[in-house]
Amino acid sequence: LAKTTQPISMDSYEGQEVNITCSHNNIATNDYITWYQQFPSQGPRFIIQGYKTKVTNEVASLFIPADRKSSTLSLPRVSLSDTAVYYCLVGDDLSSNTGKLIFGQGTTLQVKP
Amino acid sequence: DGGITQSPKYLFRKEGQNVTLSCEQNLNHDAMYWYRQDPGQGLRLIYYSQIVNDFQKGDIAEGYSVSREKKESFPLTVTSAQKNPTAFYLCASSPTSGGTDTQYFGPGTRLTVL
Repeated sequence: LAKTTQPISMDSYEGQEVNITCSHNNIATNDYITWYQQFPSQGPRFIIQGYKTKVTNEVASLFIPADRKSSTLSLPRVSLSDTAVYYCLVGDDLSSNTGKLIFGQGTTLQVKP
Repeated sequence: DGGITQSPKYLFRKEGQNVTLSCEQNLNHDAMYWYRQDPGQGLRLIYYSQIVNDFQKGDIAEGYSVSREKKESFPLTVTSAQKNPTAFYLCASSPTSGGTDTQYFGPGTRLTVL
């Protein structure tokens, strides 16, 4: 299973763009990169998923370089409600078919007014 | 209103008692999961089920048991053998057990052992 490394915490201010980078040096060929968001005392929520280059949805963008050894979650113009823990996960190799997700400690983003 | 529900939201247990946490989904998902989260930590997988009448141990299955008799239900029993059961328990489901399938999480059950 590919291990991920991301910063433990980040601070930002309202209206700023926030970029959270995740390292996954031993990502496998079939692995996808997925980001989840978790608010206190709630279950994680899917944000975005990608395989390579750039993916964008209504919430965030995900940038993945050609070597796929890292990825960056970009949150445009954050607000106080974006204060949460953000998890970067690399999915199991599809051939293993367990759907097992490895959640690290995540990055705690604190947005200040 | 589709989704995944857990009950109760808060649960208190005396030492030596078994307790069962409920998890129900009406998303018609094949796969279901149980995670445990301790303060300031990520989620750890307890058990998962890829299909009805089948389940597999996760990373921290000791002291826990599950059943999957119906597609929509995946209850977790925390037994007295679990040494430190106080934690936040999260149930999730996904369409299949493929590594790229999005997992949908319930609201969680906070278990406290008195």
